[in-house]
Amino acid sequence: ELKVEQNPLFLSMQEGKNYTIYCNYSTTSDRLYWYRQDPGKSLESLFVLLSNGAVKQEGRLMASLDTKARLSTLHITAAVHDLSATYFCAVAIIPYNTDKLIFGTGTRLQVFP
Amino acid sequence: GAVVSQHPSWVICKSGTSVKIECRSLDFQATTMFWYRQFPKQSLMLMATSNEGSKATYEQGVEKDKFLINHASLTLSTLTVTSAHPEDSSFYICSAALLTDTQYFGPGTRLTVL
Repeated sequence: ELKVEQNPLFLSMQEGKNYTIYCNYSTTSDRLYWYRQDPGKSLESLFVLLSNGAVKQEGRLMASLDTKARLSTLHITAAVHDLSATYFCAVAIIPYNTDKLIFGTGTRLQVFP
Repeated sequence: GAVVSQHPSWVICKSGTSVKIECRSLDFQATTMFWYRQFPKQSLMLMATSNEGSKATYEQGVEKDKFLINHASLTLSTLTVTSAHPEDSSFYICSAALLTDTQYFGPGTRLTVL
């Protein structure tokens, strides 16, 4: 059974600080996604990582993928309050042409002044 | 970008009734649609995968007779929760995909069963 685990589950951090969220998964996959979810809302796509060693950055967020270690990271630089949300990674299983996504446990991020 | 809508956005129903949730891809034809379920403060759980014109593929542990999925066209999939009970109360999210690596998520439907 595929397991996707995130660490930490909850993160409270001060504005201006840096931190990394980890996403470990238990089966072979070379496609991984990061999403953001605000309370009561659906998912906002952040990053798609399509190969080993892929690194993508958008603003204060940077995501990377190591398929050999089955690990992805989401790094937060100089956090601001607007980044407060829940972050999910999702691993793709590809039975046909379209990815089937298995979501991680989620990391709830709270940024305080 | 591609837009996916869901209707209704929230619904409250009595126990024992059936509820239908629609998922539409508004500006593209989706080869595949997915249905997810999310309990409060938990992750998304994939319920089923549906392809237009064929039967949905359900994940292990999801009752086919309880959660009826119909994918009648390339732009519409429906999820019917039959004989709903309070434990079915949840946030239901659909996504639609082209023949690419991208799923586009709907805004979700919050179901409360009294």
